[in-house]
Amino acid sequence: EVQLVESGGGLVQPGGSLRLSCAASGFTFSSYWMHWVRQAPGKGLVWVSRINSDGSSTSYADSVKGRFTISRDNAKNTLYLQMNSLRAEDTAVYYCARETSIAALGYWGQGTLVTVSS
Amino acid sequence: QSALTQPASVSGSPGQSITISCTGTSSDVGSYNLVSWYQQHPGKAPKLMIYEVSKRPSGVSNRFSGSKSGNTASLTISGLQAEDEADYYCCSYAGSSTLGVFGGGTKLTVL
Repeated sequence: EVQLVESGGGLVQPGGSLRLSCAASGFTFSSYWMHWVRQAPGKGLVWVSRINSDGSSTSYADSVKGRFTISRDNAKNTLYLQMNSLRAEDTAVYYCARETSIAALGYWGQGTLVTVSS
Repeated sequence: QSALTQPASVSGSPGQSITISCTGTSSDVGSYNLVSWYQQHPGKAPKLMIYEVSKRPSGVSNRFSGSKSGNTASLTISGLQAEDEADYYCCSYAGSSTLGVFGGGTKLTVL
């Protein structure tokens, strides 16, 4: 069974940093592109970032470019999102998700809440 | 990239059919057959219902179907059931090796 379990969320002050993790199991992690998608409270889904299967290629939404870094450790079956210079508007539930087809996310984690507030 | 346009809400009675539209541009929906649809119940993670415009993942009911015409994609749910009440999001690839852009979401109410 495919499982994605996010962790690392919490309360952080504006300008602070946080690193999210997503532990994957039940599939060959190193074979799949992975994504982060976020959802602000009461709002819609917003794509954040993606990384290819071996970690050699990454892409970011304009709103996080230069502040967030996606990475992966295929030996540990873990996806990461390093978030720096956090702003109030980054407050959201962050989901990790696995591509099952081009530009389609067939597996999602349960999400981890990041709150940016003083 | 601007969000795709979806109606804020739709409703229908059990057994009826409803259609949710998703309007983009010639740079996203109109250029790629890579539109997906997600169902999200309150407090839960999204679930993929349709990918590549009209394909259903294994386990998704055939009451769910997708289509596209020009810059507009559509999700149709036939034989509405109470458990279909949820938020629905479309998403279209828009190039540049990103996932793409999501729609603003549509709240489906089963009357």
